[in-house]
Amino acid sequence: AQSVTQLDSHVSVSEGTPVLLRCNYSSSYSPSLFWYVQHPNKGLQLLLKYTSAATLVKGINGFEAEFKKSETSFHLTKPSAHMSDAAEYFCVVSGKGAQKLVFGQGTRLTINP
Amino acid sequence: DAGITQSPRHKVTETGTPVTLRCHQTENHRYMYWYRQDPGHGLRLIHYSYGVKDTDKGEVSDGYSVSRSKTEDFLLTLESATSSQTSVYFCAISGLAGDASEQYFGPGTRLTVT
Repeated sequence: AQSVTQLDSHVSVSEGTPVLLRCNYSSSYSPSLFWYVQHPNKGLQLLLKYTSAATLVKGINGFEAEFKKSETSFHLTKPSAHMSDAAEYFCVVSGKGAQKLVFGQGTRLTINP
Repeated sequence: DAGITQSPRHKVTETGTPVTLRCHQTENHRYMYWYRQDPGHGLRLIHYSYGVKDTDKGEVSDGYSVSRSKTEDFLLTLESATSSQTSVYFCAISGLAGDASEQYFGPGTRLTVT
């Protein structure tokens, strides 16, 4: 069975500084991994996905994530935070060929001016 | 944005009453899903559908039923609403380009059971 653990429930950074949101996963086979973002009172939007093609995945709005099999991690990063990045971020895992997604608990990102 | 609408967007209902939430897509995706979102739990899958009249249970299906009589519509029914079903409900779709795991989400329905 697959599972996801987001290591921080809340991360706060200053505008212009790097962002790191941490995610560890567990899967009995090669997973697909995703990051979704949810702005206040909105639905979820796909930021990026990993499906075994390349370990460094680039997404929208300057975000990227690196798949590290040895560490079972899929951390999300951005070099320079912007005020518009303030949102809730979800790390998600799906098994190969499976349609069902398993969500982490979410990390709320706050950007300080 | 994927063409997904949910109705109603907000609803307040009393304990014991039936409630039906509707998800409508214009994208002809094969798979449709219902999730609930609660603080500290992320999103949890209630039910999903892999075709017309084909549905299956998710992680938190107790107290919910679903129906899909047309490709574009997926209904979620709470037969007798309880306060524990107060939540935000999201519909999602996937499967158009062969990658069933990449899901697109609707705007959500906020349900309050008093």
